[in-house]
Amino acid sequence: DTAVSQTPKYLVTQMGNDKSIKCEQNLGHDTMYWYKQDSKKFLKIMFSYNNKELIINETVPNRFSPKSPDKAHLNLHINSLELGDSAVYFCASSERNEETQYFGPGTRLLVL
Amino acid sequence: SQQGEEDPQALSIQEGENATMNCSYKTSINNLQWYRQNSGRGLVHLILIRSNEREKHSGRLRVTLDTSKKSSSLLITASRAADTASYFCATDARGSTLGRLYFGRGTQLTVWP
Repeated sequence: DTAVSQTPKYLVTQMGNDKSIKCEQNLGHDTMYWYKQDSKKFLKIMFSYNNKELIINETVPNRFSPKSPDKAHLNLHINSLELGDSAVYFCASSERNEETQYFGPGTRLLVL
Repeated sequence: SQQGEEDPQALSIQEGENATMNCSYKTSINNLQWYRQNSGRGLVHLILIRSNEREKHSGRLRVTLDTSKKSSSLLITASRAADTASYFCATDARGSTLGRLYFGRGTQLTVWP
């Protein structure tokens, strides 16, 4: 009965590869987010979608492409992975007009 | 940048003591939230305080907000070892897109049994 789930939990890959992280929420929320947390725990928003429509698109390399097939899912695809992409990526969701966000457990990405 | 800054970066106390963490931010806000992150886990929402509120309580948590100083504090009373975690403040800047939260780097709280 996990509210916000992400797969995989860990991802170790080589530079230059393409990888995807999946996120699903069963809370019935309209809005979903992707965040990146660096090694110093700084958490920064990357994207948000409201009912499959892109709402927030921060200054993120275009190697990162979010995809929302429906309002319960928001996946993150990363092309040509670089060393600096190593971080923990969190998915979150919220009700459309509510401020509180519910976070997934995170995906720990290590690029070698 | 609007991001919040927590202070101190790390705090170490004994069980039963109170823990106070502070957050400062730069621009006007609609609200400020505090989140907790246990090691290796996602963030969990603790409490939200709106810009027209000065103090809020939830169980052992007490949050204050001073919009004139652009600062907030989180007090955890009678701390327990299970309170060991990182605590983040997040601001919802006035005029920004709904849902755009600015987080600080967090305060790492360690509570010793």
